[in-house]
Amino acid sequence: EVQLVESGGGLVQPGGSLRLSCAASGFTFSNYWMSWVRQAPGKGLEWVANIKQDGSEKYYVDSVKGRFTISRDNAYNSLYLQVNSLRPEDTAVYYCARGGRTTVTYWGQGTLVTVSS
Amino acid sequence: QSALTQPASVSGSPGQSITISCTGTSSDVGGYNYVSWYQQHPGKAPKLMIYEVSNRPSGVSNRFSGSKSGNTASLTISGLQAEDEADYYCSSYASSSTLVFGGGTKLTVL
Repeated sequence: EVQLVESGGGLVQPGGSLRLSCAASGFTFSNYWMSWVRQAPGKGLEWVANIKQDGSEKYYVDSVKGRFTISRDNAYNSLYLQVNSLRPEDTAVYYCARGGRTTVTYWGQGTLVTVSS
Repeated sequence: QSALTQPASVSGSPGQSITISCTGTSSDVGGYNYVSWYQQHPGKAPKLMIYEVSNRPSGVSNRFSGSKSGNTASLTISGLQAEDEADYYCSSYASSSTLVFGGGTKLTVL
């Protein structure tokens, strides 16, 4: 069974940083593109970033370029998102997702990031 | 990276069929056969219902079907059931290995 378990969310002040983590199991992690997708409270889904199987390619939505960094550790079946210079509009549930280049096949349950003073 | 356009809401009675549209451009929906549809119940993670325009993952009911014409993709749900009430989102590959989502459609089963 595919499982994606996010952690690392929380309340942070504007300008602050967090590192989100995703522990993957139930599939061969190193075979898949992986992504982060977010959903602001009461709003729709927004693709944030994705990373190729070997980490050699990374892509971001324009609004987070230069502030967020996606990475992965295939030895530990883990996906990460370093989020810096946080803004109130970054407040959202952040989902770890398998795929995310052409489609998302599985989603985690999400971790909430709240940016507020 | 503009969001795809979906109707904010649709509704139908049990047993009826409904269709949700997803309109993009030739740079996303119209340019690739990589349109997907997701179902999201309140407080839950999304679930993939359709991929590559019209393919159903294993375990998804055949009451769900997808199609595309030009820059517009569509999700049709036939034989509406109460448990179909949820939010539905489309997504499309949008060049340079990026993905774009629609704004979402709330389906109400009357």
